Amino acid sequence: DQQVKQNSPSLSVQEGRISILNCDYTNSMFDYFLWYKKYPAEGPTFLISISSIKDKNEDGRFTVFLNKSAKHLSLHIVPSQPGDSAVYFCAASVRAAGNKLTFGGGTRVLVKP
Amino acid sequence: KAGVTQTPRYLIKTRGQQVTLSCSPISGHRSVSWYQQTPGQGLQFLFEYFSETQRNKGNFPGRFSGRQFSNSRSEMNVSTLELGDSALYLCASSSGGQAGTGELFFGEGSRLTVL
Repeated sequence: DQQVKQNSPSLSVQEGRISILNCDYTNSMFDYFLWYKKYPAEGPTFLISISSIKDKNEDGRFTVFLNKSAKHLSLHIVPSQPGDSAVYFCAASVRAAGNKLTFGGGTRVLVKP
Repeated sequence: KAGVTQTPRYLIKTRGQQVTLSCSPISGHRSVSWYQQTPGQGLQFLFEYFSETQRNKGNFPGRFSGRQFSNSRSEMNVSTLELGDSALYLCASSSGGQAGTGELFFGEGSRLTVL
């Protein structure tokens, strides 16, 4: 049972345009959501997070939106840069339970110059 | 500040053997988690240790075990290796207390190949 799903395995976008990555979850107990970026041969790197009490969190070029009623979150990257080319994972957790993260399958983003 | 260090980076074992992987977290981090990454299953949670106690456990068989030492360093062990255990094993550390922050700092992983 996949509790966190990223339905788009890949995304190609032109440099300077917006990248939108989507993620759906099924477990209503999740109260904390995160995005990680992964380059080849490296471990994932934390990007941005959002608590379930918020619907938006922004950090520079990265914005995460949360729609609790739809159990859906998205990551917007504006403007996209070639260095953003990587695999992006969304993850969810129940904060009171510690750092057990449930990850989606990942979306590979390619930003074309 | 040194990052999360995992050893060994690469190893090859045969079926039936056992393996021990090591992880040194970022200084001051008391939470250490382990994840298995495979092409088919993605990133799957194995277990988390906090102050030497296992705080969370994923859905893996008992062949997978771990521990954390008083200096927060952690080891995981896989016994009776199977071909399907071939994967990248990632260790991650985190600051914070009883409640999770979710903001994990990952090591580069240990690539295990089982022949």
